[in-house]
Amino acid sequence: KNQVEQSPQSLIILEGKNCTLQCNYTVSPFSNLRWYKQDTGRGPVSLTIMTFSENTKSNGRYTATLDADTKQSSLHITASQLSDSASYICVVSAIEGSQGNLIFGKGTKLSVKP
Amino acid sequence: GAVVSQHPSWVICKSGTSVKIECRSLDFQATTMFWYRQFPKQSLMLMATSNEGSKATYEQGVEKDKFLINHASLTLSTLTVTSAHPEDSSFYICSARFLAGVGDTQYFGPGTRLTVL
Repeated sequence: KNQVEQSPQSLIILEGKNCTLQCNYTVSPFSNLRWYKQDTGRGPVSLTIMTFSENTKSNGRYTATLDADTKQSSLHITASQLSDSASYICVVSAIEGSQGNLIFGKGTKLSVKP
Repeated sequence: GAVVSQHPSWVICKSGTSVKIECRSLDFQATTMFWYRQFPKQSLMLMATSNEGSKATYEQGVEKDKFLINHASLTLSTLTVTSAHPEDSSFYICSARFLAGVGDTQYFGPGTRLTVL
């Protein structure tokens, strides 16, 4: 069964600190893995997308890693800001070009405190 | 990046009425759009896949007669919740599929909060 598991479920950190969110998946055949940021009451916004051959991708203070062998990904946030408070969703695409075949994780809710 | 808009951003209606939600891709043509529903503290759940000029494909458990989808153009898809009931209250999000370069990606709209009284 295709699944995406994220950990932790929620996380509280102080402003300026770093944090790492985890994503494990059992999706086959794998096409790509995306990290989205979803603010409360808003639609998800894409942070990174990685294919099988990519093992790291950065977008500003966000750095995603992918280990296709162990089927694990992480999202590292550097020097966190209050505006980073949001849910971070790991999404895996099962088949390249497949319509709507995205498997969503339940997200990690990050709270950045001053 | 590509922009997807939704209208309205929120709506409150009485039980039994119908509500239409629009999803537009503003700077690209989307042959495929998707409709999701998200309940509080839950992940997005795919409701249906909408292809321009053809009937939508609904996920198991989603009533096609209750959630009417029309994808009349390459930039517009609409979701109509017919005879809405309080249990239909949710956050509805659309996304548009953009094909470019090495693969495809989906751009999400900002969502529509539906509250049925």
